[in-house]
Amino acid sequence: NAGVTQTPKFQVLKTGQSMTLQCAQDMNHNSMYWYRQDPGMGLRLIYYSASEGTTDKGEVPNGYNVSRLNKREFSLRLESAAPSQTSVYFCASSEPPDLYNEQFFGPGTRLTVL
Amino acid sequence: DQQVKQNSPSLSVQEGRISILNCDYTNSMFDYFLWYKKYPAEGPTFLISISSIKDKNEDGRFTVFLNKSAKHLSLHIVPSQPGDSAVYFCAASSSNFGNEKLTFGTGTRLTIIP
Repeated sequence: NAGVTQTPKFQVLKTGQSMTLQCAQDMNHNSMYWYRQDPGMGLRLIYYSASEGTTDKGEVPNGYNVSRLNKREFSLRLESAAPSQTSVYFCASSEPPDLYNEQFFGPGTRLTVL
Repeated sequence: DQQVKQNSPSLSVQEGRISILNCDYTNSMFDYFLWYKKYPAEGPTFLISISSIKDKNEDGRFTVFLNKSAKHLSLHIVPSQPGDSAVYFCAASSSNFGNEKLTFGTGTRLTIIP
């Protein structure tokens, strides 16, 4: 059981370039999430998907798009990267109706936009 | 507006002593609370949780206390060990919204001094 996997681990982009962050989970969870972590800001939700075929905006969705490709995979796309998107990105999954919504996180992608 | 706040960015504690990490929330709809632990270059991992019908939950060296009237929770670690050095995030969710989303605090970096 790999849990939640993310690729790539590191990425450097130039302003205006595009890229897709990949996430996959093997726990058969229905819900998946994308967060960004910035110093002093904690973890902020970008988008989430409560089930295959559905996606919803979180706290900081601007500049991002997502695709729930199937139950296992949830990708995050930056169409035109900006320096403000320099951050560490975490994907997570969970299985409601666990009342606590315990989420399982991937190891993260460290993205730098120059 | 930060709905979940961890006002201490960092905390240093001697090995063997008690570590107390604090978290405050403003949204009275939150009724489930979790603590996550994060090591450098890894994703957060679930540590302990509590629901609003309880005021205390204990798991080994870790105890979480909830004071609903003060909208305050704390995590006690006793005795503290070097492996406890990490960043700790508190998180909250609301069953009124299906517990779909977690709102995270900004984190407290705990350093255990040998």
